[in-house]
Amino acid sequence: EVQLVESGGGLVQPGRSLRLSCTVSGFTFGDYAMSWFRQAPGKGLEWVSFIRAKFYGGTTEYAGSVKGRFTISRDDSKSIAYLQMNSLKTEDTAVYYCTRAQLRRDRSGYSHFDHWGQGTLVTVSS
Amino acid sequence: DIQMTQSPSSVSASVGDRVTITCRASQGVSSWLAWYQQRPGKAPKLLIYAVSSLQSGVPSRFSGSGSGTDFTLTITSLQPEDFATYYCQQVNAFPLTFGGGTKVEIK
Repeated sequence: EVQLVESGGGLVQPGRSLRLSCTVSGFTFGDYAMSWFRQAPGKGLEWVSFIRAKFYGGTTEYAGSVKGRFTISRDDSKSIAYLQMNSLKTEDTAVYYCTRAQLRRDRSGYSHFDHWGQGTLVTVSS
Repeated sequence: DIQMTQSPSSVSASVGDRVTITCRASQGVSSWLAWYQQRPGKAPKLLIYAVSSLQSGVPSRFSGSGSGTDFTLTITSLQPEDFATYYCQQVNAFPLTFGGGTKVEIK
């Protein structure tokens, strides 16, 4: 059974840092791209960051709202994806979800996100 | 960035009704459009990908259609467990973007 479990959320002051972890099981982590999404209280879904599998370069993508402040990474030996969040702002308050990405059949890009973790709440407040 | 516009933002319906939700992209997204269902307090769940492909385990009363910039999610014969919020997402290009959501409520 595929499982993704986020951890590391909590209450943090503006300007501080936090690192989220996504521990996966039930599939070969290194074969998949991973992504983080978030949802502010009472709001819709927002994409945050993306990391390709090492076979595809392990390259990363970021939403404009977090670029330069957040860093996504992966440890394939531990089956963990990370989201390092620096210089946190009150508007970063949200539930953060870790997801698995599926490649398109022609491998030209990505098609969808088929498995989601339960989410971890990050609250940025003084 | 590709803007995704969903309508309606909410709909009231009864069990057994047919519900249609539309999603419009500000530019073409080819076939890279997915739909997710989110129940209160839960993580989103993938329903449809590549416009019309049904995710494994999702009931066949859910279907997707469209192309280019205009897409539709249809739920035939609404069931009690379908009352939730639905989001479309374009996966054609980064940054990935979602529609604002459609809340399906009990009439």
